[in-house]
Formats: sequence, structure tokens, C-alpha cells
Amino acid sequence: ETGVTQTPRHLVMGMTNKKSLKCEQHLGHNAMYWYKQSAKKPLELMFVYSLEERVENNSVPSRFSPECPNSSHLFLHLHTLQPEDSALYLCASSQDRLFRLTDTQYFGPGTRLTVL
Amino acid sequence: AQTVTQSQPEMSVQEAETVTLSCTYDTSESDYYLFWYKQPPSRQMILVIRQEAYKQQNATENRFSVNFQKAAKSFSLKISDSQLGDAAMYFCAYMAGANNLFFGTGTRLTVIP
Repeated sequence: ETGVTQTPRHLVMGMTNKKSLKCEQHLGHNAMYWYKQSAKKPLELMFVYSLEERVENNSVPSRFSPECPNSSHLFLHLHTLQPEDSALYLCASSQDRLFRLTDTQYFGPGTRLTVL
Repeated sequence: AQTVTQSQPEMSVQEAETVTLSCTYDTSESDYYLFWYKQPPSRQMILVIRQEAYKQQNATENRFSVNFQKAAKSFSLKISDSQLGDAAMYFCAYMAGANNLFFGTGTRLTVIP
């Protein structure tokens, strides 16, 4: 596979469930990102990992928990979500050459999450 | 605070014609990057074009070109010879380093055969 892949593509979960989103990048990049895309709102950056270290979390609620075991994989663990968390969750990666996180980001296809 | 504004929620263009999508941004930085991303109905966000603010020359990628006006903080995207495959949501984005990436709300482009 090439590029950035995300699984699952669609997820429906109840408010008491625990689930995980997975992202994998095949580009040799060293930085990975989670974004939330809601209808008619700009993309919201949730988490950033550079060299497997978390750089930013932008005050995301604790019901979202990221994990980056290596530079190719990124997870978003979900628990006790709310209906307003329903959105498209996008993963992205970049080659952070200057350690300033200014390099172009390449996106995965997203996971459409619905919280009932 | 940095913001990105796309004032055209929807645009349409006849196939083979040219269309321009507008984007303005607000920043106090002097060094930053601007992007146009395309998100087709399949939802995979694809980079269309990138512009470094320190470069005066407008970036060009095949049929896609930008009009970067730094003083006016304007960054429009011109699509020439529009094709059916160009139909998508187009997002303008601003980046000023250290994961400081902001997106606009998008412009939905329809290409009419």
C-alpha cells in the first residue's frame, strides 16, 4: 500500500463503547497528525506527533487518547464519546525535516465516526 | 490569531473553462506557508499546490496556479481548462510552523459538462 491509510473507514459506536482508529503511513515520514473534520467547520488539529513524541494536543477532551508506537503508526483511542464527537477523523503525515513541522502534510481517507 | 477565510462556499465552472477560488488569511507572521488542498467525494485530502511566503513568484502545478498577494494577505487558486475530475471541496490552509496549520471552511467546486 502507498500513502496514508486509515481503518476503519466507517465506525458507529455507542456512548459507552471503547474503540480505536488506526492510521498507517507508508511514506517514510516522521511526523503524524490527527484532525477532526465537522460539517461546515474548518479542520481542527487534535494531536501532533514528531519522532513519536507528542507535540500538541490543543486541549482535546481526555475521551480521545492518542498513541504513536512508531513513526509509521498512529492510533486514536476513543471512550465514552458524545454525539457531538461524530465527525470525519483524518490522519496526516509529513517529513519533518527541520523539526519545525512546516513540511507538507499528506492525508489519509478518514474514518467517518458516528456516535449514537 | 491566525484565520483563513474562504468567502465562496460554492462555485461552478463549465468544463474547459477557468475558475478562480478565493482565500484570505490573517497573520502577523512574516514567514509562513500556504496550501490548497482538494478533497474529492471519496474524502481523501490531496495537496494541490504549496506556496512559501518568502517567494514572490506564484506557484504553478500544471493547470493549477495561485495568485499570491502577500500585502493583501490573499491567496487565490486558478484552475485552467477545468475537468470533471476537478469537482471537489477545495480547502485553503495556512501554516506558520510548529504544527500551526489552519484551514478555511472550504469551497465546493462543481464542474458542469
